[in-house]
Amino acid sequence: EVQLVESGGGLVQPGGSLRLSCAASGFTLSYYSMTWVRHGPGKGLEWVSYISSSSTTIYYADSVKGRFTISRDNAKNSLHLQMNSLRDEDTAVYYCARDRIEYGDHALDYWGQGTLVTVSS
Amino acid sequence: QSALTQPASVSGSPGQSITISCTGTTSDIESYNYVSWYQQHPGKAPKLMIYDVTNRPSGVPDRFSGSKSGNTASLTISGLQAEDEADYYCSSYTSSNTHCVFGGGTKLTVL
Repeated sequence: EVQLVESGGGLVQPGGSLRLSCAASGFTLSYYSMTWVRHGPGKGLEWVSYISSSSTTIYYADSVKGRFTISRDNAKNSLHLQMNSLRDEDTAVYYCARDRIEYGDHALDYWGQGTLVTVSS
Repeated sequence: QSALTQPASVSGSPGQSITISCTGTTSDIESYNYVSWYQQHPGKAPKLMIYDVTNRPSGVPDRFSGSKSGNTASLTISGLQAEDEADYYCSSYTSSNTHCVFGGGTKLTVL
């Protein structure tokens, strides 16, 4: 059974940092791209970042570019999102999702349960 | 990057059909058959319902269907059921340097 489990969320002050992790099981992480999506309070889903299976291709939303860094450790079946210079507007539930784009499909077919990041003083 | 445009809300009675539209640009929907739709119930993770415009993942009822014309994609739900009440989001690949964009979401109310 495919499972994605996020961790690392919490309360942080503006300007602070957090590192989110996503533990993957039930499939071979190295075969798939991965994506982070967030859902802010009262807002819609927002795509945050993408990393290809071999980490050779990385994209960021304009809203987080220069502040967030996506990475992965295929040997440890894990995905990470380093978030620096956090702002109030980064408050959201952050989801990791498996991305099938390298298989020719625009599909985030499995999602974690999400981890809540709250940026507040 | 600009979000895709969806109506804020739609509603229908049990057994009826509804359609949710998703309007993009030449950088996304119009140029690629890479549109997906997600269902999200309150407090839950999103669930993939349609991918690549028309494809349904295993386990998704055939009451859900997708289509595209020009720069607008659509999700149609026929035979509405109470459990279909949720938020629905469209998404598209984009040729901009950001790879992917979501719509603002549509709240479906089953009357």
